[in-house]
Order: sequence, then C-alpha cells, then structure tokens
Amino acid sequence: GAGVSQSPRYKVAKRGQDVALRCDPISGHVSLFWYQQALGQGPEFLTYFQNEAQLDKSGLPSDRFFAERPEGSVSTLKIQRTQQEDSAVYLCASSLGTVRETQYFGPGTRLLVL
Amino acid sequence: GDSVTQMEGPVTLSEEAFLTINCTYTATGYPSLFWYVQYPGEGLQLLLKATKADDKGSNKGFEATYRKETTSFHLEKGSVQVSDSAVYFCALSVNQAGTALIFGKGTTLSVSS
Repeated sequence: GAGVSQSPRYKVAKRGQDVALRCDPISGHVSLFWYQQALGQGPEFLTYFQNEAQLDKSGLPSDRFFAERPEGSVSTLKIQRTQQEDSAVYLCASSLGTVRETQYFGPGTRLLVL
Repeated sequence: GDSVTQMEGPVTLSEEAFLTINCTYTATGYPSLFWYVQYPGEGLQLLLKATKADDKGSNKGFEATYRKETTSFHLEKGSVQVSDSAVYFCALSVNQAGTALIFGKGTTLSVSS
C-alpha cells in the first residue's frame, strides 16, 4: 500500500512569509509525528497526534509553529513569519497504534528560508 | 534525559569489508531500540529493531543486539556492498503511548568498489 507522503517536497520562502507543509499518513494509522531535521543532524521531535488530538507539542520551537490534524488523517504543519533558522527538513511519520509501534517516515519537505 | 550517542562519521570502507557502527544510549526504563537508514534522496527507512534486552534485530545482512548491561546497540554487517552507502541513524523509544523517537546524529557510510 501507499506509504507516508508529504508535500511540497521543496519549499523556498522569503523571511517573514508563512508556509504550510502537508502530511498524508498511511491510511488507518492512529499516531502521527512531526520531526525537524537540521543539516547533518538527526531528526528532532516537534509534535504528536493521536487521531485528531494533539497530545504533545513540547518540541515546537516557538509559537510561530502550529500543527493540526482536524479529521485524524491528513496533518498540516504551519510556520508563521518564517526565519532563517527554520530552514531544515520537516519529516512526518505515522504508526498504526500508540505503543511499541514502528514509525514509518515520509520523504520530508526541505524548507529553505532566504 | 534520554539520549543516543553514535560514532562520528564518515565511515569509508571497501566492498566486502566488515562494518561496525557503535551506538550507546541513556534512557529510563526499558526502551525499544532502532536503526534507521537514509539512502541518498530518500526518506528514513526502518532497518531493524529490538524491543527488549538480548534481542537481536536483523535485516538485509545487518544485525544489532540489544545489550542492557552496556547500554549499547551496535550495528554490524559482515560484508558491505556499494549499495549500503547511506546515512545510518540509531534511535530509541521509551515504551509509552505517543513517545517520539530520539535519534543519534547519524553516521555516513561510504562504500567503494
């Protein structure tokens, strides 16, 4: 079946612009995670959804970052007033359940803020 | 807090050489341990995992054993191929609902023929 998909794959934004990144998880997956991967680093956790509920947003770096998953499937990560330090690859992952489940990753969205 | 430390790269090997990439972790409780691989231009893929002490994960000729006494999960392969060239990430997950993966910084492997 289809894996996790993300769009756009690449995004160039001018500093101060708002951006929206989309994640389509594997159908039926309950859990959805967003990660941020800086160049040369491992992914770092941003936020977690269980169905439509955002249960953990402790990794969001500032209040400019906002995520939603209104119907418990597709999720959107929005970054307002982008800054150069927001440049990174944003990864989405989904898993079938909530504990001891393998996370399946999408290809990521590479964001470059100029 | 919980963390993962893996050996710095890049690791450069000739085809058919033996590979070891070291990974150690710090965690409360009994985490699950993972190796993910990122091939050039592709997303992260699960390579193997182990969920309890002394478990051995294996896939595509790669192996790693969950060693609680040394808090380690070293990745090994007996004979690497050019197609194994990629970035390898060690990760852990504390076994609670909604717990995110905690990743190491990644190790770049380059295999030449």
